[in-house]
Amino acid sequence: DGGITQSPKYLFRKEGQNVTLSCEQNLNHDAMYWYRQDPGQGLRLIYYSQIVNDFQKGDIAEGYSVSREKKESFPLTVTSAQKNPTAFYLCASSLVNSNQPQHFGDGTRLSIL
Amino acid sequence: DAKTTQPPSMDCAEGRAANLPCNHSTISGNEYVYWYRQIHSQGPQYIIHGLKNNETNEMASLIITEDRKSSTLILPHATLRDTAVYYCIVKSFNKFYFGSGTKLNVKP
Repeated sequence: DGGITQSPKYLFRKEGQNVTLSCEQNLNHDAMYWYRQDPGQGLRLIYYSQIVNDFQKGDIAEGYSVSREKKESFPLTVTSAQKNPTAFYLCASSLVNSNQPQHFGDGTRLSIL
Repeated sequence: DAKTTQPPSMDCAEGRAANLPCNHSTISGNEYVYWYRQIHSQGPQYIIHGLKNNETNEMASLIITEDRKSSTLILPHATLRDTAVYYCIVKSFNKFYFGSGTKLNVKP
């Protein structure tokens, strides 16, 4: 089945540790996105990428980093500089310059130990 | 800079139509409106989208006003499984702008 796979579903981080969240898609989409969601809140854009080897900061990029070495993959690293990393992280993908909708993964819930 | 405004919550009786409003007064002429819903701790699920004409699919109908400054998502016969947070989204330059969403409570 075509779709977006996020792993792991649950992730725990110790203080001062970097962690990387995986996002893979087999939809042949050019654009990929990372969002953060806090309890009872909407989605906020962290980073997005419209093409391989290029990405742009979203509204809350501080403390996060990404890479886009392959079209299918867009991993997100939560660095130790992110002081409040506990949240639900969602990855999405879409076609570029198209009115087709964005597709979402099932999310990764990150918690601090 | 959310481009959409939605009421925080709404109630609906099971079997009745649920009408969820959205204001997008700053929308540009070529920007589409999308609706998604999210059940707790899951990824958002796509429902419907449109530009200026009314749209209908197996899940819902989308009514967009003639001036395109607002829209309404209609679930014709709400069930308990339609209880979720519904997001109205505008896509601009390949970015999707989420508002805070409306929590729809479908009651028996």
